[in-house]
Amino acid sequence: SAVISQKPSRDICQRGTSLTIQCQVDSQVTMMFWYRQQPGQSLTLIATANQGSEATYESGFVIDKFPISRPNLTFSTLTVSNMSPEDSSIYLCSVGLGVYEQYFGPGTRLTVT
Amino acid sequence: QKEVEQDPGPLSVPEGAIVSLNCTYSNSAFQYFMWYRQYSRKGPELLMYTYSSGNKEDGRFTAQVDKSSKYISLFIRDSQPSDSATYLCAGAEGAQKLVFGQGTRLTINP
Repeated sequence: SAVISQKPSRDICQRGTSLTIQCQVDSQVTMMFWYRQQPGQSLTLIATANQGSEATYESGFVIDKFPISRPNLTFSTLTVSNMSPEDSSIYLCSVGLGVYEQYFGPGTRLTVT
Repeated sequence: QKEVEQDPGPLSVPEGAIVSLNCTYSNSAFQYFMWYRQYSRKGPELLMYTYSSGNKEDGRFTAQVDKSSKYISLFIRDSQPSDSATYLCAGAEGAQKLVFGQGTRLTINP
């Protein structure tokens, strides 16, 4: 498995601002992912963070709204830009090990007022 | 229609009971099936995984997949209050492309 940390653990932000969430892994991994978990909803994949290249976004998510960086094999950031109350959610990063195993960080709880 | 459907509950059972958690899925291409457990204010943790149809047992937990009916189950024997959490099922068509159900919130009452 892997030990994954996220910063911040929670934040309250004003509408129109941006927040950058950091994800740190204790070992080098090829595959890192960003998910959103809205209240009472399932986890929805936002994008796959690729080291050395642009992230791959899922349908409904765009780079201008959720820019992602992946400078090395242990670190990634997700920025939630120009926030609105609809962006209030839990944001989770995960790492992929093997064919299908994914391990998740503790999440960042975001509230937009 | 969601690719993975899961009754959100909540489900409340007495300690020691056998718990049955279920999901259905629609994507015939799913080959891998996972169960995650998520405690309140924590990230999901991988509990069990299976490949294709069949059963897999790990201690008090048994995962079951029936691809003919597109049905995924997780059984918890001798349930404990520490098992109280939200359980998420997931299917994957290929490597690392997980699709999650909504999650079932489970409470085990002492």
